[in-house]
Amino acid sequence: EAQVTQNPRYLITVTGKKLTVTCSQNMNHEYMSWYRQDPGLGLRQIYYSMNVEVTDKGDVPEGYKVSRKEKRNFPLILESPSPNQTSLYFCASSSGTDRWEQYFGPGTRLTVT
Amino acid sequence: TQLLEQSPQFLSIQEGENLTVYCNSSSVFSSLQWYRQEPGEGPVLLVTVVTGGEVKKLKRLTFQFGDARKDSSLHITAAQPGDTGLYLCAGAGAGGTSYGKLTFGQGTILTVHP
Repeated sequence: EAQVTQNPRYLITVTGKKLTVTCSQNMNHEYMSWYRQDPGLGLRQIYYSMNVEVTDKGDVPEGYKVSRKEKRNFPLILESPSPNQTSLYFCASSSGTDRWEQYFGPGTRLTVT
Repeated sequence: TQLLEQSPQFLSIQEGENLTVYCNSSSVFSSLQWYRQEPGEGPVLLVTVVTGGEVKKLKRLTFQFGDARKDSSLHITAAQPGDTGLYLCAGAGAGGTSYGKLTFGQGTILTVHP
């Protein structure tokens, strides 16, 4: 089954404690992306990757890091989480080209206290 | 930064009514997608429009891409309770520094009452 998986699905942590949210896709997609979803703001793109070792900033990259060492994986790293990073996070992948259709994971709800 | 203004943010209607959701921008997009999201799940793609002026139909849903590829609309005919959900539009950057960037509208929460 074609899918995007994220782990963990729920995470409660404290300010400053480094964390990683994993994302993996089995569709051989070149493009992967991370979004955060906050009430009234829709989804905002954090980082995206056009291919292995190629990453770029989205609209809200501050406080986040990513890496793309393998085609299927695109982890999101919060090196020093703060309460304003409490949000619902989605990973997505796409075959890219001119359509850019996103296939989303199930989401990770992060709470930073 | 590209912006995509989606309206209305909330829609509460009776079963059988028609409705239209709008997404507007001053930016040109290479494609525009519409997604539907259920609580606790990720958005699911409904349709992609690529060509200016393009109209696509999915049963009772009609999607239109503006001639200048800056705006789009979603029209639902004879809404049903099963249409209830969050609808999101998303535009893909047309080139230059926006290539690869996806911009989402704020979303429309639709509630259809039986």
